Amino acid sequence: DQQVKQNSPSLSVQEGRISILNCDYTNSMFDYFLWYKKYPAEGPTFLISISSIKDKNEDGRFTVFLNKSAKHLSLHIVPSQPGDSAVYFCAASADAGGTSYGKLTFGQGTILTVHP
Amino acid sequence: GAVVSQHPSRVICKSGTSVKIECRSLDFQATTMFWYRQFPKKSLMLMATSNEGSKATYEQGVEKDKFLINHASLTLSTLTVTSAHPEDSSFYICSARREVGQPQHFGDGTRLSIL
Repeated sequence: DQQVKQNSPSLSVQEGRISILNCDYTNSMFDYFLWYKKYPAEGPTFLISISSIKDKNEDGRFTVFLNKSAKHLSLHIVPSQPGDSAVYFCAASADAGGTSYGKLTFGQGTILTVHP
Repeated sequence: GAVVSQHPSRVICKSGTSVKIECRSLDFQATTMFWYRQFPKKSLMLMATSNEGSKATYEQGVEKDKFLINHASLTLSTLTVTSAHPEDSSFYICSARREVGQPQHFGDGTRLSIL
């Protein structure tokens, strides 16, 4: 049961253009969403997060949008840079308590390639 | 920043050996640490959650006697794979979180290979 899905395994973008990475979820209990970036042989690096009480959060070139009714979130990177080339994972958690307090459920990842 | 150090990065050992992996939060105190396992071409799967000073909470299907977790301080958690066998070969990665509502920060993982 894949509760968090990234349906695009890869995305290729030209430098300077916008990269849009998408993520869908099925569990309506999720209330905290995160995006991580991962380079080979390294652990995931936290990029940006959003709470379910918001629909947008922005940090520099990165903006995350949350559409609760559609159970969809997206990460926008603008302008894209070659150094952004990596695997991007979305993750979700239900931080309201219980034995899975803070447990992250990850998507499968999307490989972003930004061409110079 | 929030730096999490995981050691060792790679272990190769014989079947039957017990292997300890350390996870340290270097510049913050982590009330909760998490241990994940990643199978080839799969997402990270949570194995267990540990809070400092209390017993770890294991996910369904994870053998607590096989994967011993100790979280003795706010900056250190250890995962011991006891009597490891080839099927335990995998990529293990830890994360640490300051407090509720804060993001988890990950170590660089440990590649465990059991011969």
